[in-house]
Amino acid sequence: DTAVSQTPKYLVTQMGNDKSIKCEQNLGHDTMYWYKQDSKKFLKIMFSYNNKELIINETVPNRFSPKSPDKAHLNLHINSLELGDSAVYFCASSPRVDEQYFGPGTRLTVT
Amino acid sequence: GNSVTQMEGPVTLSEEAFLTINCTYTATGYPSLFWYVQYPGEGLQLLLKATKADDKGSNKGFEATYRKETTSFHLEKGSVQVSDSAVYFCALSVSRSEKLVFGKGTKLTVNP
Repeated sequence: DTAVSQTPKYLVTQMGNDKSIKCEQNLGHDTMYWYKQDSKKFLKIMFSYNNKELIINETVPNRFSPKSPDKAHLNLHINSLELGDSAVYFCASSPRVDEQYFGPGTRLTVT
Repeated sequence: GNSVTQMEGPVTLSEEAFLTINCTYTATGYPSLFWYVQYPGEGLQLLLKATKADDKGSNKGFEATYRKETTSFHLEKGSVQVSDSAVYFCALSVSRSEKLVFGKGTKLTVNP
């Protein structure tokens, strides 16, 4: 049983396209996150939702829009993809901030 | 602001060597401190944590002690194994904050 799952695992697309990454957790946690990890492994939080409400929105271009249809799902939609969006995107969930469970990541490559 | 500074990698060791990965932090208030590990091709996993000064977190032979006087949380292991090869992240959270602040990660490679 996968605790935090993401789809797809790999995503290759062209500049200007719109794409979505899906995340689901079966841990019953209230809080979910999206992180971006760049090529140097630097990990930065993008968004956080608690019970479907946005609670953290870091300085992220508004081409990125998270959507939480219920507390078990947090999807990330990206419009007008740019080369600099290439990265690994991680979803995480937590019962509290000090215990986060990460998904396996989605490697996005924009060509 | 809150930040975490880790030693630059990569770190390459032989099996059974002693490991230290340095981590220092800057924080407002009293942070909780964490080490996360990322094995190749996987997401991050919590390795250990400490929530107050002088606490020692430990797991899988790894240890780190919360040192308030030096604002440090160095990760140590007495005898590393090839299976410890991974990227290690130091992180903090400050009370009433909903987010973790990560260091830049240190890649460890252990050779047989």
